This record gives sequence, C-alpha cells and structure tokens, in this order.
Amino acid sequence: AQTVTQSQPEMSVQEAETVTLSCTYDTSESDYYLFWYKQPPSRQMILVIRQEAYKQQNATENRFSVNFQKAAKSFSLKISDSQLGDAAMYFCAYRTYNFNKFYFGSGTKLNVKP
Amino acid sequence: DTAVSQTPKYLVTQMGNDKSIKCEQNLGHDTMYWYKQDSKKFLKIMFSYNNKELIINETVPNRFSPKSPDKAHLNLHINSLELGDSAVYFCASSLEGGAPYEQYFGPGTRLTVT
Repeated sequence: AQTVTQSQPEMSVQEAETVTLSCTYDTSESDYYLFWYKQPPSRQMILVIRQEAYKQQNATENRFSVNFQKAAKSFSLKISDSQLGDAAMYFCAYRTYNFNKFYFGSGTKLNVKP
Repeated sequence: DTAVSQTPKYLVTQMGNDKSIKCEQNLGHDTMYWYKQDSKKFLKIMFSYNNKELIINETVPNRFSPKSPDKAHLNLHINSLELGDSAVYFCASSLEGGAPYEQYFGPGTRLTVT
C-alpha cells in the first residue's frame, strides 16, 4: 500500500515570509495524483493545489507552489508571502491512478507569526 | 450551493446510545468516503463506496455500519457508542476515472460521547 509521510509535525513562519512544507510518499505506480489540503480551525478541508504525476511542470496557485520530484518521490509545498490566514493544518495526499484510493499524511501544523 | 453536506455538524450523546450521521453530495460523483479524524488530527479512512457498492472497509468495529441508498448519499450509523468514538467524522466524495481528481469534503461532524 502507498504511504505518505509528512516529517514536520509543526512549523512556524513570520508573516510575509516564505515557508516550505515537506511530503514524501512511497509507491510503485508511475501514474498518480498528489494534493495539498488545508484545514483551518473551522475544520473544513480545502484543496490548495493538485499535481498530476505525468506532468513535469510544477503546479502553482497564486502564492502556493509545489516542488514535485518524481524520482525522489517528494512533493513539497511552498507558501510565499505568508499571511495570517494561512495558519492551518496542511495535509499531503496521494491518489492512485486506478481504483480511486486516497492516502493522507499525518499533517503539518503551520503557525504564522505577525 | 453546498457540494458535500453532512448532518448534524455537532452531536453530543451518551455512551451506549445509537446515532446516525448523514451525508449528501450534489457533484455527480460516484465514490463516497467516511473518514475519522482523531484529536491528533490524523485522518483515518473508514469506508468507501463506489456506485453504492462497498469497496473499502478498513478495520472498523462492527458497531459502525455505512449505508448508501444511492450514489449521492452515504450515511453512517453507530451502535452502542463508546468514549473512544469521540472524534470528527468527515464525509468526502470523488469521481473515478476523470477530472477533477481530488476529493471534496463535507464540513465534518464533531461527535462527543459522554
């Protein structure tokens, strides 16, 4: 079975600075999908960004971008110009190409300091 | 329009009681899931249904029984509630075999067993 590892239980960043959250995964598949979800204190799970493994170009969404290293099985999230509203739990997730199965990491709590 | 809805959002009950949580999605997705999120924020998959058929049934006590009357609904019934069942329960949905590839989550149901 696939596993997703987030090695940073908690991180802090100063407002307006940049922070990178790490995620690694284990798989034998060549095609799959990767996601970062944000869970603020409201507890709603919000999709931040998605990456298809067959795409070499790293995905970006405004201040959020990923560094996808397929050979290294690494999928980190970079948040630029951090804002107070970015404070949340961030989950890395893997979806199999077939069978619609999802695997989540244990989460990283991001604190943003004013 | 709410994509994935859950009722109730909060549920407080006593040990030994039976309770149900309802979930509905209006996205036309064919796969629905139940997750349990414990106090450490770890997301654990419990069940997954594809077109009303159970496809994932993780190691969950028999007291938990999912029911999918149609592919837009997935309910969770819990018998003989225990203190350890206290958690946030998330319903989610996704589409097999095509975009979008991510899961869409409901707002969660916070269950407190006293």
